Amino acid sequence: DSGVTQTPKHLITATGQRVTLRCSPRSGDLSVYWYQQSLDQGLQFLIQYYNGEERAKGNILERFSAQQFPDLHSELNLSSLELGDSALYFCASSPTGTGTEKLFFGSGTQLSVL
Amino acid sequence: GENVEQHPSTLSVQEGDSAVIKCTYSDSASNYFPWYKQELGKRPQLIIDIRSNVGEKKDQRIAVTLNKTAKHFSLHITETQPEDSAVYFCAAYDQGAQKLVFGQGTRLTINP
Repeated sequence: DSGVTQTPKHLITATGQRVTLRCSPRSGDLSVYWYQQSLDQGLQFLIQYYNGEERAKGNILERFSAQQFPDLHSELNLSSLELGDSALYFCASSPTGTGTEKLFFGSGTQLSVL
Repeated sequence: GENVEQHPSTLSVQEGDSAVIKCTYSDSASNYFPWYKQELGKRPQLIIDIRSNVGEKKDQRIAVTLNKTAKHFSLHITETQPEDSAVYFCAAYDQGAQKLVFGQGTRLTINP
């Protein structure tokens, strides 16, 4: 167990809908990262937050948004969902968010858009 | 920005043999290179990492080598065991964009 909690584990929804994925980092970690993993694909970096502030942005679509709350949990919002958004979404956390330290991944949220 | 290429995409070796996975990166300023292992249906987990001021690092049966001049780094697994079967991802830290860029992954299968 990495100490990073993601909910829900599975999510099935329809095209055009909006969903929210939730992540609680390890105790003491200030930084949260979101990654997307499509079938047989690598880990695509979406966005990083550090202590409530956006620190780095990757290939995140405009239909997607995220935030980190004062209690350090983070939410990833996906709207106007398309079939191609079906993927495994991982959250990871790290202590200082420098990018050059170990990432602790959650177990992921499997999103299926039908 | 940084680009990481990983080869091979699949690798099958006999139990007890060695396995080598190679990655190249494009940005000479990158200074941190971790390797993550993802077992089927599980989360990625860091198995070893190396920084640009070191040429080689070992941890039991796993070693990573870094060639900064050629901009490539490799993962070496010796005396492979069935539990080594997984997808392995290399990554390089893009200092400019402040993000970790992952390779596409190598599916390693250990045949008994």
